[in-house]
Order: sequence, then C-alpha cells, then structure tokens
Amino acid sequence: ETGVTQTPRHLVMGMTNKKSLKCEQHLGHNAMYWYKQSAKKPLELMFVYSLEERVENNSVPSRFSPECPNSSHLFLHLHTLQPEDSALYLCASSQGFRGGKNIQYFGAGTRLSVL
Amino acid sequence: GQQLNQSPQSMFIQEGEDVSMNCTSSSIFNTWLWYKQDPGEGPVLLIALYKAGELTSNGRLTAQFGITRKDSFLNISASIPSDVGIYFCAGPDDNTDKLIFGTGTRLQVFP
Repeated sequence: ETGVTQTPRHLVMGMTNKKSLKCEQHLGHNAMYWYKQSAKKPLELMFVYSLEERVENNSVPSRFSPECPNSSHLFLHLHTLQPEDSALYLCASSQGFRGGKNIQYFGAGTRLSVL
Repeated sequence: GQQLNQSPQSMFIQEGEDVSMNCTSSSIFNTWLWYKQDPGEGPVLLIALYKAGELTSNGRLTAQFGITRKDSFLNISASIPSDVGIYFCAGPDDNTDKLIFGTGTRLQVFP
C-alpha cells in the first residue's frame, strides 16, 4: 500500500466513450502527477499539479483533460480516445514538485484499452 | 536535459544468487531513488539516497549514492522469485523539477 489509490484498475472503452480515471492520495502531499506508460516505452509525464494548480502540461492532446479539485484528488477525463492511447496510466504524488521534495509515490495504475 | 542510463538492461539469475545493477548520469544528482515495478503495477519506491557516499539498506536490498554524485548502485542479496520485475533509478532534475527515470533493469529469477 503506497498511499496512492487509483480507480478503476482496468478500463475498456470505445473511441466515442467518455470516462474518467480517479486518483486519491492519503499522504498529505501537495503535488500530483499523471503519467502514461506504453509497452516497452519509458514513463511519459503528462500533467503536474501543485497545490491544485496545473504547473505542467507536456503537449498532451486535448482528448485528455485533467482536474484537481483539491490536493488529495486528481482526475483524468477521457473522451474520443484513439487505440494508440491504450496504456497503463499512473498517478503519483510528492510532498512538493521542486528538487528534493520531488520524491514521488505511485498508485497501482489503470490499465486502459481503447477499442 | 539530464539522462540516466542503467545497466545491465536485463538479468536472468538463479534463486539465491546476489544481484548488482547500476545507474549512471553525465551530470550531478542530489537525490537518488530506486523503484521496483511489477508487471501491470505502478513503481514502488524501495530506497531514497540523499548524500554522496550514503549506503542504505532495506531488507535484502542495499543501495549506494556514488561519491561523484553521478552514479548509484543497487544490490539484492539472496534473490527470491518475488524479486522479479523492472528496477528503475530516478532523480529530480534541479533545473526542470522533473523526476528523471532510468532506462530500467529487468530482473528474472529462476527457481
């Protein structure tokens, strides 16, 4: 148990569906992250939130829409996805996002399949 | 930007053997982290190192922060089947604030 909980663990969706991924952290951290991990590729940082403000958006397509209502919760809203978006989506949190405070704890991930 | 190279890329060992892997960078890191990722799961933080020369253990795992601050090592003693997975080193890039991940070492343990 890492203190970061992601739901659902598995998701299958069609290209016209709208779904959301949820992440909750119980560590009292102030920064939260979304990563995409495709097969045999390194982790790709998608979004960073610090104190509920988005501080990084790594050229992610607009069909991915993050939301951070408070420092404990992070959502990733999905719509009109493509099959190449199928991947493991990981949420992480850290005390802060600068330097030595950027020690990230990860959730177990959501395995997304887009048909 | 900063990059982390891990070696070996993969290892196939027999249960009970000791394992060594390393992580190198062309630039200095002030913090080194080691994660393990099981298939289909998120990375789990194993050890964090904060000071050059530091040696830290977590059960059968021991990690060291290289004195040049450009490398780190992870050793696993008396490997068991549940050690199977991908081991990543990581470190915060002080210029970009991003957590930089290594290329990973895939470990297979045979009974």
